[in-house]
Amino acid sequence: NAGVTQTPKFQVLKTGQSMTLQCAQDMNHEYMSWYRQDPGMGLRLIHYSVGAGITDQGEVPNGYNVSRSTTEDFPLRLLSAAPSQTSVYFCASSYGRVGGYGYTFGSGTRLTVV
Amino acid sequence: KNEVEQSPQNLTAQEGEFITINCSYSVGISALHWLQQHPGGGIVSLFMLSSGKKKHGRLIATINIQEKHSSLHITASHPRDSAVYICAVTGDYGGATNKLIFGTGTLLAVQP
Repeated sequence: NAGVTQTPKFQVLKTGQSMTLQCAQDMNHEYMSWYRQDPGMGLRLIHYSVGAGITDQGEVPNGYNVSRSTTEDFPLRLLSAAPSQTSVYFCASSYGRVGGYGYTFGSGTRLTVV
Repeated sequence: KNEVEQSPQNLTAQEGEFITINCSYSVGISALHWLQQHPGGGIVSLFMLSSGKKKHGRLIATINIQEKHSSLHITASHPRDSAVYICAVTGDYGGATNKLIFGTGTLLAVQP
């Protein structure tokens, strides 16, 4: 099925551990992005990419790294997990580099850092 | 002040009622998006608007560019419409970006 695939769906980490959240899309979308969703704050942009080899920071990038070696994949790395990174993470992709195209979201990763 | 404001934050309706959710924004946009998120679920794109009105089944979305305002209407509401509805805007913010700016969402509960 065409779409955005996120793994894992759930994860529990200990403070200081590292992990990678995977995101893959098969729609040949140029634009991919990671968001975190926290109660009462809405979705906030962590990092985004407008094409393979090009990434940039969003609103809340600290503690996260990304890379985009292929059009299809956009993994999000937590370098040293902290309780403040407990959240639900969504990956999304879109066809164009600028606004005006629809978005497809992944199903989310619920991360708890203890 | 948030760049995208939604109202109401919470809404409870009886099955069959006509529902309106409002979204106001303060930035220049190229498109406005309405998204739906069921409890514990993923996010689904309902509409993308740059002008006028769109309809899909019982859902209608309108936008007034001059007033920087959009509404999402649900006709003949049903308990399965219970979800969080999120308004978001995109624009050409600083070059080749496709940044979404989100409202905080409206939690809708439709009671049978």
